[in-house]
Amino acid sequence: SYELTQPPSVSVSPGQTARITCSGDALPKKYAYWYQQKSGQAPVLVIYEDTKRPSGIPERFSGSSSGTMATLTISGAQVEDEADYYCYSTDSSGNGVFGGGTKLTVL
Amino acid sequence: EVQLLESGGGLVQPGGSLRLSCAASGITFSSYVMSWVRQAPGKGLEWVSSISGSGGSTYYADSVKGRFTISRDNSRNTLYLQMNSLRAEDTAVYYCAKCVVVPAAKAPGPDYWGQGTLVTVSS
Repeated sequence: SYELTQPPSVSVSPGQTARITCSGDALPKKYAYWYQQKSGQAPVLVIYEDTKRPSGIPERFSGSSSGTMATLTISGAQVEDEADYYCYSTDSSGNGVFGGGTKLTVL
Repeated sequence: EVQLLESGGGLVQPGGSLRLSCAASGITFSSYVMSWVRQAPGKGLEWVSSISGSGGSTYYADSVKGRFTISRDNSRNTLYLQMNSLRAEDTAVYYCAKCVVVPAAKAPGPDYWGQGTLVTVSS
């Protein structure tokens, strides 16, 4: 079955740039989405359609996609950005798939 | 304001059934692909199922295919998930999500999420 692969964890100091990658064979043809989830809360969309940022999401969040890899970049990460981050896309049949999630630590 | 309110979760014995509902407001419901996503305790997000705006196309994760059925009533702005033959591994918080409007070939992903409803499968 189709998989999206993320690193289990990323750690940065406050003010540094955090990059979280998501790799998948279908990404050249499919959009990637990124979600932030804090403990006990529902996920929140932070990037959609590879590069677009929803209203209300800080400008420090950005997305890119090249070939089989999508990347979420948090420029100048803040302590409040500490959370689990998930990428999402679909396979060639339209079935959804989430990456395994990346725990971002900012300290 | 988009609001998605799930209901129907609870405790059920293995082999039992439950029907989840998701009441949507603030959107033209029939215009959007809708999805169910679950999260087992301490685990990551797992896509469960999606349905097109008309209800004519449905998609399922292999883990639930043949046991779960997604449906929608556009006249009631409500999404459903009928869950049969439940197993312990189906224990999770189930989220209802509205998806962005993009060509189907490009992957419509969730943008708005409900707060979730907990399903516990245990004897």
